[in-house]
Amino acid sequence: DGGITQSPKYLFRKEGQNVTLSCEQNLNHDAMYWYRQDPGQGLRLIYYSQIVNDFQKGDIAEGYSVSREKKESFPLTVTSAQKNPTAFYLCASSQSTSTEGYTFGSGTRLTVV
Amino acid sequence: KNQVEQSPQSLIILEGKNCTLQCNYTVSPFSNLRWYKQDTGRGPVSLTIMTFSENTKSNGRYTATLDADTKQSSLHITASQLSDSASYICVVSADTNAGKSTFGDGTTLTVKP
Repeated sequence: DGGITQSPKYLFRKEGQNVTLSCEQNLNHDAMYWYRQDPGQGLRLIYYSQIVNDFQKGDIAEGYSVSREKKESFPLTVTSAQKNPTAFYLCASSQSTSTEGYTFGSGTRLTVV
Repeated sequence: KNQVEQSPQSLIILEGKNCTLQCNYTVSPFSNLRWYKQDTGRGPVSLTIMTFSENTKSNGRYTATLDADTKQSSLHITASQLSDSASYICVVSADTNAGKSTFGDGTTLTVKP
């Protein structure tokens, strides 16, 4: 079955530590996205990529980094520069020129301990 | 600035009752509007997608309407079930490029027996 997989489902980070969230899709979608969701709030765009080896900052990119070396993969690194990283992180993919919308992963909940 | 406002913020209804959620937007130019359902701790799942020329679309017990003149959309849920308890998110795109999307904060629906 085609889909988008995020791992791990839960992640704990110590102060000052970098962590990487995985996102893999087998839908052959061109575009991939990372969103952050805080309790009771809407999704906010961190980074997105429309093509391999290219990505753009979203609304809240500070303290995060990404790479897009393969079409299927779009990992997100939460760096120590992100002062409030505890949140629910969602990865999504879509065909760039389609109106079909996003396919979302099941999310990663990151907690700072 | 592109904005999407959803109302009410939260809603409690009894099982079997109908309800309507609202979405007002100021996104321009308009490409499409999507409604998603997000269960707690999960990724959003697409319910309906409407383009400028469509004013209604159904998906089972879910019916979305769109008035492009007044920039309003509604999601009507018929004969609610306990499994309808979730957050419902309205997303408006200004371009066929899904990266140019604006998310509403969502309406949290609770269906009680």
